[in-house]
Amino acid sequence: NAGVTQTPKFQVLKTGQSMTLQCAQDMNHEYMSWYRQDPGMGLRLIHYSVGAGITDQGEVPNGYNVSRSTTEDFPLRLLSAAPSQTSVYFCASSSTGASNQPQHFGDGTRLSIL
Amino acid sequence: TQLLEQSPQFLSIQEGENLTVYCNSSSVFSSLQWYRQEPGEGPVLLVTVVTGGEVKKLKRLTFQFGDARKDSSLHITAAQPGDTGLYLCAGMEYGNKLVFGAGTILRVKS
Repeated sequence: NAGVTQTPKFQVLKTGQSMTLQCAQDMNHEYMSWYRQDPGMGLRLIHYSVGAGITDQGEVPNGYNVSRSTTEDFPLRLLSAAPSQTSVYFCASSSTGASNQPQHFGDGTRLSIL
Repeated sequence: TQLLEQSPQFLSIQEGENLTVYCNSSSVFSSLQWYRQEPGEGPVLLVTVVTGGEVKKLKRLTFQFGDARKDSSLHITAAQPGDTGLYLCAGMEYGNKLVFGAGTILRVKS
């Protein structure tokens, strides 16, 4: 079972470069989200989507863009990378956005911005 | 500002001891979830509590949701080295946003 697949697993960028973190799920989940995890900060919500064509901002959206053209995919774009965006990024999905639904997480992308 | 305060941040105990992790907020949540995360992996759901005052047991783990749905606790009985990991609480805000606490790093020594 693939579940939530994130690529790449590791990436090093220079300040100002752009890149897209990929996230795909094969569970036909409607709700998908992106988090970043920093030491002592837990996971902070960047953007989320309740279905194809619908996205919304989370707690820390600045510097990131998302789109949801299909149910399966939810890419996260960094338009101009900054050292403050060095973090571990997690994508998650759940069947709906309902409060009792479990979030299924990918294994993360470790991103370093030099 | 952390919406969900977890305590303690770090816990190092001997095998067989009991422990409790707390998750507190001034906000009301529609539900609260507990996750466990191991190095190099994403968090994995342990339990979801929905009703104020609810208590759920998962083997040696007991989860409680406060009556006012603002706080929760995780109690582990007779901890084992396999319980070592990062424990995260997460509250679902009304509006489909899941917010996480900073986490509790648990180390159980044999």
